[in-house]
Amino acid sequence: EIVLTQSPETLSLSPGERATLSCGANQSVSYNYLAWYQQKPGLAPRLLIYDASTRATGIPDRFSGSGSGTEFALTISRLEPEDFAVYFCQQYARSATFGQGTRLDIK
Amino acid sequence: QVQLQESGPGLVKPSETLSLTCTVSGDSISSPSYYWGWIRQPPGKGLEWIGGIYYDGNTYYNPSLMRRVSISVDRSKNQFALRLTSVTAADTAVYYCVRDRPNRFLEPGWFDPWGQGTLVTVSS
Repeated sequence: EIVLTQSPETLSLSPGERATLSCGANQSVSYNYLAWYQQKPGLAPRLLIYDASTRATGIPDRFSGSGSGTEFALTISRLEPEDFAVYFCQQYARSATFGQGTRLDIK
Repeated sequence: QVQLQESGPGLVKPSETLSLTCTVSGDSISSPSYYWGWIRQPPGKGLEWIGGIYYDGNTYYNPSLMRRVSISVDRSKNQFALRLTSVTAADTAVYYCVRDRPNRFLEPGWFDPWGQGTLVTVSS
């Protein structure tokens, strides 16, 4: 099983700052089959990025994904108030597994 | 706009069977481009993929749940359903239905959109 570990567990930043969230895998994620989701309290997750770096429909360009192999990142270039949420990564190279999440809090 | 809506009992007794239905609007469940799947999230915890079904009835499941899970499709109603047998308190979770864009190997891919989710509590 591909295990995904997200870091940090919690990230506290201010609006306007840049956020970088990491997702590491215990084995290579082939074809960069990695997605990122945003989840706000009481709501379902929303797809942000797939194939490691492709933004989903309607996602603002301040969200970007990067990485390959076993190390991936989600970057939010300039935080807006609505970006404070929990973020999950997910691999789909071998079955489907999720990271444990990173909580992005307002500082 | 594609929308998914879960329905089913919110309370299930231990050892019984959890049954949920997902109604799809804005897309056909018979589309060959997508799978249709289920994901769950225990309260305050992370996400666990359960499994999915293709329009032709081909299914694929999380190995950890395979012995207890079945997913079926009703094309006439544009719905698909989840059954999870022999439930315990560990199965208490919000259950989401999702549209699944498979990878090039026709295995699970990325999930979009998601239903709003339904909380199922396992308790006597």
